[in-house]
Amino acid sequence: GAGVSQSPSNKVTEKGKDVELRCDPISGHTALYWYRQRLGQGLEFLIYFQGNSAPDKSGLPSDRFSAERTGESVSTLTIQRTQQEDSAVYLCASSFGTGGFRAFFGQGTRLTVV
Amino acid sequence: TQLLEQSPQFLSIQEGENLTVYCNSSSVFSSLQWYRQEPGEGPVLLVTVVTGGEVKKLKRLTFQFGDARKDSSLHITAAQPGDTGLYLCAGEWTGNQFYFGTGTSLTVIP
Repeated sequence: GAGVSQSPSNKVTEKGKDVELRCDPISGHTALYWYRQRLGQGLEFLIYFQGNSAPDKSGLPSDRFSAERTGESVSTLTIQRTQQEDSAVYLCASSFGTGGFRAFFGQGTRLTVV
Repeated sequence: TQLLEQSPQFLSIQEGENLTVYCNSSSVFSSLQWYRQEPGEGPVLLVTVVTGGEVKKLKRLTFQFGDARKDSSLHITAAQPGDTGLYLCAGEWTGNQFYFGTGTSLTVIP
């Protein structure tokens, strides 16, 4: 597609269930980022992929969060045993390689844990 | 860990007023960007500044990158209701890694 695509756009899940969020980056973009944004707040960095490796996992909030990426394409963010504090919009962005980057963002997945 | 702190966190002003948003860090960035985000949307890039001391203007918006490339400011002249949104700065740290600021939520009251 022409832009970064995320699915689902909205997800309501019960506390304790696992959820999987998907991101399709722009074709050819080697870098992919996941962010979490709580209501009215700025973006919170979660994880960064360069190709299918993740040199920076420092932002993952807990061991319930994991992410993987297949080659330089689709990425999935998995949250296990969801908690109410996981409720947020999860944004994915992709960009070309180094220097003078421009990040293109998806519309996000709004996760509500009830 | 937030590398970039923005201030103020919330700002509510009357139409026609001027305002400045600050983005500060103790780290040096190779470039810095400002984004604007509307509810339900992803952030949209406004500008990228690369050189220390650089000033860029986008209509009523003026962006400045600090001389030491550790901080930046966004100044809006004669704010309009359409300027309402969340303003985010993002710094490029080491080779394609970038971090977002804490955000400034701006409301312009007609």
